[in-house]
Amino acid sequence: AQSVSQHNHHVILSEAASLELGCNYSYGGTVNLFWYVQYPGQHLQLLLKYFSGDPLVKGIKGFEAEFIKSKFSFNLRKPSVQWSDTAEYFCAVTPSGGSYIPTFGRGTSLIVHP
Amino acid sequence: EPEVTQTPSHQVTQMGQEVILRCVPISNHLYFYWYRQILGQKVEFLVSFYNNEISEKSEIFDDQFSVERPDGSNFTLKIRSTKLEDSAMYFCAIPTDQYNEQFFGPGTRLTVL
Repeated sequence: AQSVSQHNHHVILSEAASLELGCNYSYGGTVNLFWYVQYPGQHLQLLLKYFSGDPLVKGIKGFEAEFIKSKFSFNLRKPSVQWSDTAEYFCAVTPSGGSYIPTFGRGTSLIVHP
Repeated sequence: EPEVTQTPSHQVTQMGQEVILRCVPISNHLYFYWYRQILGQKVEFLVSFYNNEISEKSEIFDDQFSVERPDGSNFTLKIRSTKLEDSAMYFCAIPTDQYNEQFFGPGTRLTVL
């Protein structure tokens, strides 16, 4: 079975600071990788995903993530955060060609001060 | 982009009571999922439901839980006798056009007293 680790549980930044949230997964085969965001009081929304191809994935709102297979990582980045990026961020993984049910990480709470 | 709503948004109940959480997709779907998120913890899969049958379920989904599609459109998650540890956010989700992605509803916050 796969598992996902998000090492940063709480991150506090000032506006314009750069962001990197760590995500590592454990699984013996190929995977599909996702980052979801949950803004306060709202539902989980897909930020970006990786299925195959270019390991650097661009998502919505200026976010990107890089899949590094050798490190089993899929870190989320944004060069300059905004106050509106305050949210909970979840990394998730599904096995390629297998169950469509994602395994989620614990989540990282990001607070951006204006 | 498919959409899904959930009712109620917040449910408070006494321990031992039954609760029914509802999920209403905007368009017809055969496949849907239920997840829960205990405060401060990760989102956990409960059950998937396909064409009126349970497709997969986790070890969390024990005999106190059940799912139904009572009227062909709504999907319900029933917790028969709630326990304090059932307090959580419960999300339903439906697949998007790409079946390896899911669209999540806004969630129901269940508080068991």
